[in-house]
Amino acid sequence: DAGVTQSPTHLIKTRGQQVTLRCSPKSGHDTVSWYQQALGQGPQFIFQYYEEEERQRGNFPDRFSGHQFPNYSSELNVNALLLGDSALYLCASSIRDRAVETQYFGPGTRLLVL
Amino acid sequence: AQSVTQPDIHITVSEGASLELRCNYSYGATPYLFWYVQSPGQGLQLLLKYFSGDTLVQGIKGFEAEFKRSQSSFNLRKPSVHWSDAAEYFCAVGPGRNSGGSNYKLTFGKGTLLTVNP
Repeated sequence: DAGVTQSPTHLIKTRGQQVTLRCSPKSGHDTVSWYQQALGQGPQFIFQYYEEEERQRGNFPDRFSGHQFPNYSSELNVNALLLGDSALYLCASSIRDRAVETQYFGPGTRLLVL
Repeated sequence: AQSVTQPDIHITVSEGASLELRCNYSYGATPYLFWYVQSPGQGLQLLLKYFSGDTLVQGIKGFEAEFKRSQSSFNLRKPSVHWSDAAEYFCAVGPGRNSGGSNYKLTFGKGTLLTVNP
């Protein structure tokens, strides 16, 4: 049973560029959440996708956008990159129709903005 | 608003010693509580979770945690630490039954870094 997978593992971009990160959920999961983890901090919620729609959004600017595909995989897009966007980006998947959603995390994509 | 406080930024213990990592939460309703572990450069692995029922929950790798509603705490414990337990530990709170179905996010503490001395 494959867990949550993310690609790429590492990425280097320059300020102003755009980046797309990808996530495949755990088998049987239909909900994907994205988190940003800055160095030395806990993960911060960016948004969650279910049924191809953004279900909830954290306190992140519109430069951060996402998409969920019919196969439940998801992309995180960040436009006009800033130095402060350098972080580990974590994807988590869960099952919507459970009474409680337990989120399982992937290994993350480490983004460095120069 | 939900929040999590992990008062200890860094803890050092000797191998074989007992461990307790503290977590305090703030949440308006009955929360769901989680402990995750993160090894260097890795993602988060779920150690254990509390939803309801018995307030002492068992997790993987010999960890356990106790939910104390009166203290708004969910401390993580292990009776005997192994060198492989060295990692960063995150406590998180999620929406409980009374969240109204509009809040799905996990809110994390800033983490506690565990160092294990031989």
